[in-house]
Amino acid sequence: SQQGEEDPQALSIQEGENATMNCSYKTSINNLQWYRQNSGRGLVHLILIRSNEREKHSGRLRVTLDTSKKSSSLLITASRAADTASYFCATVTSGSRLTFGEGTQLTVNP
Amino acid sequence: DAGVIQSPRHEVTEMGQEVTLRCKPISGHDYLFWYRQTMMRGLELLIYFNNNVPIDDSGMPEDRFSAKMPNASFSTLKIQPSEPRDSAVYFCASSPGQFNQPQHFGDGTRLSIL
Repeated sequence: SQQGEEDPQALSIQEGENATMNCSYKTSINNLQWYRQNSGRGLVHLILIRSNEREKHSGRLRVTLDTSKKSSSLLITASRAADTASYFCATVTSGSRLTFGEGTQLTVNP
Repeated sequence: DAGVIQSPRHEVTEMGQEVTLRCKPISGHDYLFWYRQTMMRGLELLIYFNNNVPIDDSGMPEDRFSAKMPNASFSTLKIQPSEPRDSAVYFCASSPGQFNQPQHFGDGTRLSIL
């Protein structure tokens, strides 16, 4: 069963705009990870955030984690056409494996 | 650094045939994972190894699926006999840690069973 669920399922924006994707989960986690997948390629790890962390940054990416709401968000600032991809959150619960959500398909229009 | 290497990239075969997918993990990574991705079920973990030893194969769908890791630089996922419902993209990933470290994915094998 899916632990993480992304929202929205699809997002279309113009280049230069910010993109925000959300992930909700059901049970307490050890960590939450965000991955990107370009069409026809494997997943690429973006950011790992642990349960005791609230925010992490990497370049134009910002991830927040709210354990009280069991949710996380991925913000991509100043988006580029090259950011077009599917974005997945994946959660790790105690004694469990990495479980991926269904993903958000982001399209950045030039 | 070479990433995770999978072969073949594409495989088309007929129902009943044996299929072997191959993976070379990143050198120094102790964990190797096999995933399957479909539209219906998303990304599912099939099996993973630690130091060449299978740790959890509970995601392997049926006895027709088997995986081996004879050494630290090579793993195979075998389907025998193959069925049309096995059609999917199969990914191999490696990591220095179990689930508390980033996983590095190969570009997958797109498998079509006719």
